Amino acid sequence: EVQLVESGGGLVQPGGSLRLSCAASGFTFSSYWMSWVRQAPGKGLEWVANIKQDGSEKYYVDSVKGRFTISRDNAKNSLYLQMNSLRAEDTAVYYCATLLGVPPGGFDYWGQGTLVTVSS
Amino acid sequence: SYELTQPPSVSVSPGQTARITCSGDALPKQYAYWYQQKPGQAPVLVIYKDSERPSGIPERFSGSSSGTTVTLTISGVQAEDEADYYCQSADSSGLGVVFGGGTKLTVL
Repeated sequence: EVQLVESGGGLVQPGGSLRLSCAASGFTFSSYWMSWVRQAPGKGLEWVANIKQDGSEKYYVDSVKGRFTISRDNAKNSLYLQMNSLRAEDTAVYYCATLLGVPPGGFDYWGQGTLVTVSS
Repeated sequence: SYELTQPPSVSVSPGQTARITCSGDALPKQYAYWYQQKPGQAPVLVIYKDSERPSGIPERFSGSSSGTTVTLTISGVQAEDEADYYCQSADSSGLGVVFGGGTKLTVL
């Protein structure tokens, strides 16, 4: 059974940093593109970033470029999102997801999400 | 920036057919995907590549494409289908992703 478990969310002040993690199991993690998708409270879904199987290609939504970094550790079956210079508008539930095929693709498996709140 | 447009809400009675549309200029050239999201839960992929249904998704869910519009059709709607539905496709670069604003399906 595919499982994706996010962690690392919490309350952070504007301008602060946070690192999200996603632990994957039940599939060959190193064979999949992986993604982060977020959802602000009461709002719709927003794609954040994708990373290729070996980490050699990464794509970001314009609003996080230069502030967020997606990475992965295939030996640990883990996906990460380093978030710097956080803003109030980054407040959201952050989901990790497997990408179906290659970008742009769709997202076939999702974690339950971790809440990030940016507030003073 | 490129956008996908969905109606904010659709209402149907149990047993009827619900159709949720998603419009975007690039849809003739890019695949569309559909997700169902119930309150407090993660999204679930219900249609991929315009019209393919993942394993485990009921046959009453189907997808179609015509020009700049893709449609999610739910035949014989059940109370459990009440949820938010999101379409998704490629952004203007062709490598990133864009979601529609979502459609709340209400089963009367």
